[in-house]
Amino acid sequence: DAGVIQSPRHEVTEMGQEVTLRCKPISGHNSLFWYRQTMMRGLELLIYFNNNVPIDDSGMPEDRFSAKMPNASFSTLKIQPSEPRDSAVYFCASRTDYEQYFGPGTRLTVT
Amino acid sequence: EDQVTQSPEALRLQEGESSSLNCSYTVSGLRGLFWYRQDPGKGPEFLFTLYSAGEEKEKERLKATLTKKESFLHITAPKPEDSATYLCAVFDFGNEKLTFGTGTRLTIIP
Repeated sequence: DAGVIQSPRHEVTEMGQEVTLRCKPISGHNSLFWYRQTMMRGLELLIYFNNNVPIDDSGMPEDRFSAKMPNASFSTLKIQPSEPRDSAVYFCASRTDYEQYFGPGTRLTVT
Repeated sequence: EDQVTQSPEALRLQEGESSSLNCSYTVSGLRGLFWYRQDPGKGPEFLFTLYSAGEEKEKERLKATLTKKESFLHITAPKPEDSATYLCAVFDFGNEKLTFGTGTRLTIIP
């Protein structure tokens, strides 16, 4: 299995631009999670899906952030408009039962 | 609300010097405790899940143990390649989310 796949691996954009991060979970996993990691705040859960349905988006920082999971093999996290404080590493993770696996992350830099 | 505290924040050991990392937690009902290893620039790598007090799991030089209030990650005769940040997280009944600690940054000096 290829594991959780994320793209792009690095994204540099200017403030105000739209950013879309993509994730392909491990086949057969029914839960998908989006996290953000910074030095200051550590690993924060933004949103998670169960069977493609958003269950808890309480971690989404504001309305500029949105996430979708149109099918079991694909999810997106969109930031519009982006701001410098959104700079972080964004991880996608998928889980079945009691083992949760992370992707390699997308390093986002907003200038 | 679930809480996870890891200590120490950072630990430097000489190669071959065994030690333990601590993860203490407060949850309403523990469903599982996860340990991860994270290398710089990479995603957390799953190591273990522990489900009940008294349970132990081993992988190479690492052994994880669990009590009702805390978990330990014991590292025996570490090597420089064991240098990483080790994260623990708890998973409780009625909540599908993992709650992570802030991690212990482990450095093994050759």
